[in-house]
Amino acid sequence: EDQVTQSPEALRLQEGESSSLNCSYTVSGLRGLFWYRQDPGKGPEFLFTLYSAGEEKEKERLKATLTKKESFLHITAPKPEDSATYLCAVQDPGYSTLTFGKGTMLLVSP
Amino acid sequence: DSGVTQTPKHLITATGQRVTLRCSPRSGDLSVYWYQQSLDQGLQFLIQYYNGEERAKGNILERFSAQQFPDLHSELNLSSLELGDSALYFCASSVAERNTQYFGPGTRLTVL
Repeated sequence: EDQVTQSPEALRLQEGESSSLNCSYTVSGLRGLFWYRQDPGKGPEFLFTLYSAGEEKEKERLKATLTKKESFLHITAPKPEDSATYLCAVQDPGYSTLTFGKGTMLLVSP
Repeated sequence: DSGVTQTPKHLITATGQRVTLRCSPRSGDLSVYWYQQSLDQGLQFLIQYYNGEERAKGNILERFSAQQFPDLHSELNLSSLELGDSALYFCASSVAERNTQYFGPGTRLTVL
C-alpha cells in the first residue's frame, strides 16, 4: 500500500524567511509525484508534477525536487500570500488515482 | 479557477437522509475522480470514472455510489447519512487516465 508522509505538520515563517517542506513516500513504483496548494475551504490547486529522481521544477518562489524516497518543496523569500496547506500526492504505475499526505500548513507572517 | 464545477457548495441535512452531489469536469476531460476530505483523515480517494465507466474504487462505503453520464458530468450519491459523513467532497478531472488531476471547489456536507 502506498504511503505518503509530510513534515512538518505546520510551519510558521517570517516574510522573507526561506524554508523547505518534506514529503517522503513508499510506493511499489512511482509514476508521478504531485504537489498541490490548498487554501482553507477551497479545492487543491495544482502546482507541480515530478516523474524521476533528480528532476526539479520551479514556479515563482517555489521549487520542487525529487529523490528516490522523498520530495522537497523549497520556498524562497515567502510572502504572506504563500500561506496555505501544501499537499503532496503519489501516483503508482498501476493506477491513475492519487494517494495524498496529510499536508503541511504554512503560515507566513508579515 | 480550475474549470471543474461542483454543486451545491454547501449542503446541510439530517442523519438517515440521502443527498446527491454533482460535478462537471473541465471541457475535454474524460476522467472524473471523487475524494472525501475530513479533518482527521485528509484527502481520501473514493471512486474514479473514465468516459462513463467505473475504473477504480478506493475506500468508498457501500452507502455511497456514483456514476458518470454521457455528457461526462458525474454525480455522487450518499445515502443513510451518518454524522461521520460530514466532510468536504471534491471532484477532480483529468484529460485521460494518469494525467494531472484538477480539482473543483468542493461541496461541504454537514450531517446533523
